[in-house]
Amino acid sequence: EVVLTHSPATLSLSPGERATLSCRASQSVRNNYLAWYQQNPGQAPRLLIYGASSRATGIPDRFSGSGSGTDFTLTISRLEPEDFAVYYCHQYGTSPFTFGQGTRLEIK
Amino acid sequence: DVQLVESGGTLVQPGGSLRLSCAASGFTFSGYWMSWVRQAPGKGLEWVANIKQDGSDTYYVDSVKGRFTISRDNAKNSLYLQMNSLGAEDTAVYYCARVPGSLSYYDYWGQGTLVTVSS
Repeated sequence: EVVLTHSPATLSLSPGERATLSCRASQSVRNNYLAWYQQNPGQAPRLLIYGASSRATGIPDRFSGSGSGTDFTLTISRLEPEDFAVYYCHQYGTSPFTFGQGTRLEIK
Repeated sequence: DVQLVESGGTLVQPGGSLRLSCAASGFTFSGYWMSWVRQAPGKGLEWVANIKQDGSDTYYVDSVKGRFTISRDNAKNSLYLQMNSLGAEDTAVYYCARVPGSLSYYDYWGQGTLVTVSS
């Protein structure tokens, strides 16, 4: 099983700042099949990034994904108030498909 | 617009059974793999099962193999999850999600349905 580890677990920043979230895999993610989701309390996850770096439909360009192999990054260039949420990475290259435990992005 | 609406979640006793449903609309349901993903209260996300467009292939996480069955009815645009021998560890919000390919991410999610296993 591919284990995904987020860092940091919690990130405290202010609106307008840049956020960098990391996701490390226990083994290479096949074909860089790595996605990022945003989840607000009481809501379903929303797809942000797939294929490590492709933005999903309707996602603002302040969200970007990068990385390959075992190290992946989600960057939010300038935080908006609605960006404070929990973010999960997800590998879908190898069954069982797994998620990280999440990074909580909170307002400082 | 793509819509996925889950139903069937409720309180069930340990060892009991439950069937979840997901009604799909706004896209050609028969053209997509579908999936169930769950989230225990206050915890992260866990993939549960996938099913191919025609139902001929299914995949499960080890923890539910032999207990859960994913199925679909393309004529009714519906996805199902039959859950048997439920335990406290199955308590979670269950989401159905659309899967654009056989090895793929989830591009649309339902709002979820809560299953609570407790005596």
